[in-house]
Amino acid sequence: DQQVKQNSPSLSVQEGRISILNCDYTNSMFDYFLWYKKYPAEGPTFLISISSIKDKNEDGRFTVFLNKSAKHLSLHIVPSQPGDSAVYFCAASALGNAGGTSYGKLTFGQGTILTVHP
Amino acid sequence: DARVTQTPRHKVTEMGQEVTMRCQPILGHNTVFWYRQTMMQGLELLAYFRNRAPLDDSGMPKDRFSAEMPDATLATLKIQPSEPRDSAVYFCASGLAGFRNQPQHFGDGTRLSIL
Repeated sequence: DQQVKQNSPSLSVQEGRISILNCDYTNSMFDYFLWYKKYPAEGPTFLISISSIKDKNEDGRFTVFLNKSAKHLSLHIVPSQPGDSAVYFCAASALGNAGGTSYGKLTFGQGTILTVHP
Repeated sequence: DARVTQTPRHKVTEMGQEVTMRCQPILGHNTVFWYRQTMMQGLELLAYFRNRAPLDDSGMPKDRFSAEMPDATLATLKIQPSEPRDSAVYFCASGLAGFRNQPQHFGDGTRLSIL
């Protein structure tokens, strides 16, 4: 059962334009969401996060939006740069053991490959 | 800059052989996670330790996989016997439980190929 889904395997964007990466989740107990970026031959690195008490969090060129009613979050990158080309993973976690999750445990989506063309 | 260290970075071995992957978490982190990345499944959680105690290993095939933390500076993931379907990249991550906004930090992974 895929509790976190990234339905777009890949996204191609021109340098300077906006990149929008999407993520959907099914477990209503998830209350903390993260985005990780991964370059080839390296481990994922933390990018930005958002708590369920917020609907937006911004850090420089990166903004994460959360729509709890739709169980949907998105990552906006503006402006996109060639160095942003990587695999982006959405992840979610919940407090307690409800829904088969446990504190600190992350459930990841399958990733979206972002390519930013110069 | 503190990092999670994984060894070996690459491992190629024949089916049936034992494989041991090692992870040194960031000093002071009390949670350790093992993940496997495959093309089909993305990043799957295999095992999760807090204060060296295993909390969740439901994602791990128990008949051939085992995960341990002999001490706070070392986590191991063993496969015995290995099979071609185990070929994947295995990541270790560490974090601080109780500090909600502290994200997990990942190592650079062990790329495992079983022939």
